[in-house]
Amino acid sequence: NAGVTQTPKFQVLKTGQSMTLQCAQDMNHNSMYWYRQDPGMGLRLIYYSASEGTTDKGEVPNGYNVSRLNKREFSLRLESAAPSQTSVYFCASSLGDGSLHFGNGTRLTVT
Amino acid sequence: KNQVEQSPQSLIILEGKNCTLQCNYTVSPFSNLRWYKQDTGRGPVSLTIMTFSENTKSNGRYTATLDADTKQSSLHITASQLSDSASYICVVSRSYNTDKLIFGTGTRLQVFP
Repeated sequence: NAGVTQTPKFQVLKTGQSMTLQCAQDMNHNSMYWYRQDPGMGLRLIYYSASEGTTDKGEVPNGYNVSRLNKREFSLRLESAAPSQTSVYFCASSLGDGSLHFGNGTRLTVT
Repeated sequence: KNQVEQSPQSLIILEGKNCTLQCNYTVSPFSNLRWYKQDTGRGPVSLTIMTFSENTKSNGRYTATLDADTKQSSLHITASQLSDSASYICVVSRSYNTDKLIFGTGTRLQVFP
């Protein structure tokens, strides 16, 4: 029982490059989330998916797109990476009861 | 503005000692408050959850309190262990839904032998 799995763990991109962060959960949760965590700031919601087939913008969606591929998988895509997107990205899932289960993060550096 | 403020930003204590972390919030409406523990290089893990009507909740050596009138919460750690070294994040929910969470910036606790 792995919980929430994120890949890759680390990534370095050049400005303008694209990449997709992968997330999968095996807890049969309906809701999935993408957050970013920056020094001195609380976690901020980028996008979320309340159920399979739906996605909604969070607090900081600009520069990102998401896909809820199926109930298990929720990916985050950066089409043209910018240095401001250097951050640690966390995927989380929830039954929708307010309790979040987080993955261990992807550490992204954009140069 | 909905905000969650935590203090202190960082704290160093000796193994075996107790400590208390503070969380003040200006979030409305209020649904519940959670404390998360985040080890270095890992994702946050939930420690406790409290709703409006609860004023204390324990999880082993961790005890959280909530004063909904003054909009303050605290996390008390008893008999600290080296494994308690982590960041502790206070999170306030504006609704039952998990998409309306306000995160604090965390308190970084270091426990030394």
